[in-house]
This record gives sequence, C-alpha cells and structure tokens, in this order.
Amino acid sequence: AAGVIQSPRHLIKEKRETATLKCYPIPRHDTVYWYQQGPGQDPQFLISFYEKMQSDKGSIPDRFSAQQFSDYHSELNMSSLELGDSALYFCASSPVANEQFFGPGTRLTVL
Amino acid sequence: KQEVTQIPAALSVPEGENLVLNCSFTDSAIYNLQWFRQDPGKGLTSLLLIQSSQREQTSGRLNASLDKSSGRSTLYIAASQPGDSATYLCAVWRLSGGSYIPTFGRGTSLIVHP
Repeated sequence: AAGVIQSPRHLIKEKRETATLKCYPIPRHDTVYWYQQGPGQDPQFLISFYEKMQSDKGSIPDRFSAQQFSDYHSELNMSSLELGDSALYFCASSPVANEQFFGPGTRLTVL
Repeated sequence: KQEVTQIPAALSVPEGENLVLNCSFTDSAIYNLQWFRQDPGKGLTSLLLIQSSQREQTSGRLNASLDKSSGRSTLYIAASQPGDSATYLCAVWRLSGGSYIPTFGRGTSLIVHP
C-alpha cells in the first residue's frame, strides 16, 4: 500500500539559509499535517491543511510557512534557519476526520 | 491545555518479560488515543488506535486499554523480544478547527536484551 512520502530524507543547511520540505500524502487523503520533533522531544504539531486551505495552526514559527497544492502535496518553507530548527520533521496525511498516517520524516540539520 | 505523561521514561528488561507502559492525560475530552513505535531517528509506526468509546484494542502481542474518566491508558507487551526495543509514544487526539490534532507524550524508551 502507498505510504506518505517525504523529501528529502536528510537536509543540511547553514544558519540563516532557507529550506523547503516536501510531503506527498497517500492517494485520496485530502488532509496534511506537519510536525516537528526536536532531539529527545515529543512531536509538536505545526500546521495542517484540508482541501488546500489551512485548517489549524500549532506552534509554527513566523519564519516558517506552508501550503498545500492542487495535487494535495504540501511544502513546508523554512527561512532564516536557526540552530534550534534542527529536528525531525514529520508529515502525516488522512482522509478528512480520520486516522493520520505518518511519513518517515525529514531530518534537518542546521550548522 | 492537554498534557500527556508517560511512565516510565525508560525501561530495560530481559527477553520474555511481560511489560506495561503507562500513559496519562489531563483532559478527558479526547477523540481517540493512539500508541506509536519509533525507532531511533526514524518515523512513527502506528501500533494501536483506541476510539474514545472503546475500552481496549489488541494486535498480536500488544494490548492497549483506555480509561477516559481517569485519564489513563496502558500498553501491554507480552513475551517481549529484542526486536521490540524502541521508543513507544502515546498520543491523545482532540478536535480543533476541523482537524484532529494530537498531543504526544515524551515516550518510554524500551530496551529488551537477549
């Protein structure tokens, strides 16, 4: 069965650079969620989209933005990267109001 | 604000033992509760999902129970194996703005040694 795809799987950036993370949901899933998991921390909800519209917002910094496109894939854009942004970023998808399925994550390292 | 606590934070046991991992939450108005497994540096694998109207779910050697009124869930692992070594995360879901949003615990880090 198809799973959630995230790219890239690993990303290394310098401070103050920008990064773009991509998420491809499971086919026919119209809702996408983004999470951030710092080292030794629990995953924190960042933002979600339903039918290409932002549906909920968590602890997402103003330096980050995200959108969902017409093909339902989503991108998380991160600017002015800081050392503290180093984390594992998960994307999850679901049919509306249903169980979320998580992707493998993108590990971002900011040097 | 929902808070999820998992006890113990770490556990090391010999192979074959039966284990109980605990999860407690402060707000009983939850949509459902889910247990995940996470291997180091890897993604989240869903183990069991318990709807708020259910009391327990079972899958193989795993059994999870839910007591909403007391804000508790337990994950029971029978006959533990070295391959069970991982971090186990508990997440409780709430409805927010049309989305179901989880609050995760910090996890229990499990090591099963041969």
